[in-house]
Amino acid sequence: AQSVAQPEDQVNVAEGNPLTVKCTYSVSGNPYLFWYVQYPNRGLQFLLKYITGDNLVKGSYGFEAEFNKSQTSFHLKKPSALVSDSALYFCAVRAQNRDDKIIFGKGTRLHILP
Amino acid sequence: NAGVTQTPKFRVLKTGQSMTLLCAQDMNHEYMYWYRQDPGMGLRLIHYSVGEGTTAKGEVPDGYNVSRLKKQNFLLGLESAAPSQTSVYFCASRSPGGTMFFGSGTQLSVL
Repeated sequence: AQSVAQPEDQVNVAEGNPLTVKCTYSVSGNPYLFWYVQYPNRGLQFLLKYITGDNLVKGSYGFEAEFNKSQTSFHLKKPSALVSDSALYFCAVRAQNRDDKIIFGKGTRLHILP
Repeated sequence: NAGVTQTPKFRVLKTGQSMTLLCAQDMNHEYMYWYRQDPGMGLRLIHYSVGEGTTAKGEVPDGYNVSRLKKQNFLLGLESAAPSQTSVYFCASRSPGGTMFFGSGTQLSVL
């Protein structure tokens, strides 16, 4: 069965510091991996995805994520955090051989401290 | 450039009442999804559809029904609302490349 784990409910980072939001997954076969962001009272917005190829994926707003197959991880990163990055972040996974279901993690709330 | 539109945005029901949430997308996507979002639970898949006329159960389907009579619309129904169904409901459609597009959500309270 597919599953996604985001081990941290909340991450606090000082503005200007690098940030990491962790995600690990479990699927049968090769994964398709995604990160989404949710601002207050809004729906989720797409940030980036890994399908195949380069393990380092670059996305919107300066975010990037690194796919690590041996550790089954897909951590979200940004070199220098902004206060405006404060939001709820979701990791999601779909198995390559399952074209229908996409499973989301429980979300990690990111607080960027001025 | 509407994307995914959900109606209504807010609704208050009494226990036992019924209602239908409407989701419409203008991107010609085959796949559509209904999720509920609860504090500490993240997004949980209720039902989904892989094309017009098809529906399938997700993780938490009990108490909900869906219909996909037209490709652009995906309806979520509550036949007899319960307080446990108080939640924020999100509809999404999925592009062929895998990206999900979400509506702005429906906040439902069942008293």
